[in-house]
Amino acid sequence: EADIYQTPRYLVIGTGKKITLECSQTMGHDKMYWYQQDPGMELHLIHYSYGVNSTEKGDLSSESTVSRIRTEHFPLTLESARPSHTSQYLCASGSYIETGEQYFGPGTRLTVT
Amino acid sequence: GESVGLHLPTLSVQEGDNSIINCAYSNSASDYFIWYKQESGKGPQFIIDIRSNMDKRQGQRVTVLLNKTVKHLSLQIAATQPGDSAVYFCAENEETSGSRLTFGEGTQLTVNP
Repeated sequence: EADIYQTPRYLVIGTGKKITLECSQTMGHDKMYWYQQDPGMELHLIHYSYGVNSTEKGDLSSESTVSRIRTEHFPLTLESARPSHTSQYLCASGSYIETGEQYFGPGTRLTVT
Repeated sequence: GESVGLHLPTLSVQEGDNSIINCAYSNSASDYFIWYKQESGKGPQFIIDIRSNMDKRQGQRVTVLLNKTVKHLSLQIAATQPGDSAVYFCAENEETSGSRLTFGEGTQLTVNP
């Protein structure tokens, strides 16, 4: 069982609000990722990090930002939420030892009204 | 761009039957593949992986087959159980792209009692 946590699990928020989705892992993994996923659909990479102070944009254009100040923590921030941000956000982490495999958190279901 | 996709969006089987879920990929440089299972409301869970120097790998009740000639990946589940009902994703990684996984569309597996 992967030790990766996301909070909140569900969030309903109004347009224009600033929100931060939290992701923490206790496995000491250097690599961390954020994906966006609509129900039953494929995962789209929006941000990733290969270690502290390392952040990169993924394949999906996103109006979000991330930070990696500590190895175990990789928060995602939306400065101004819009209805188009309504989706599920999945955080994942991986180890350089276990090439390629990523461990996923339970996700945050975001609804912007 | 390069992509990974599944042939069938849904698959319905009887309990106890064997299931086969297929995946086609287009990046011939991909060298690592993973199958994930995602249950409703949860993050993807690792099932099994395979490297490109192998053509078959077995786990508990699951087998992954890789055919590099036609760029095809399949997941076989033996004696399918109701608990196997979920969306299954294949993902691929090319070592030169770092640790980024490209996910395909999911296949919804429904196991009928």
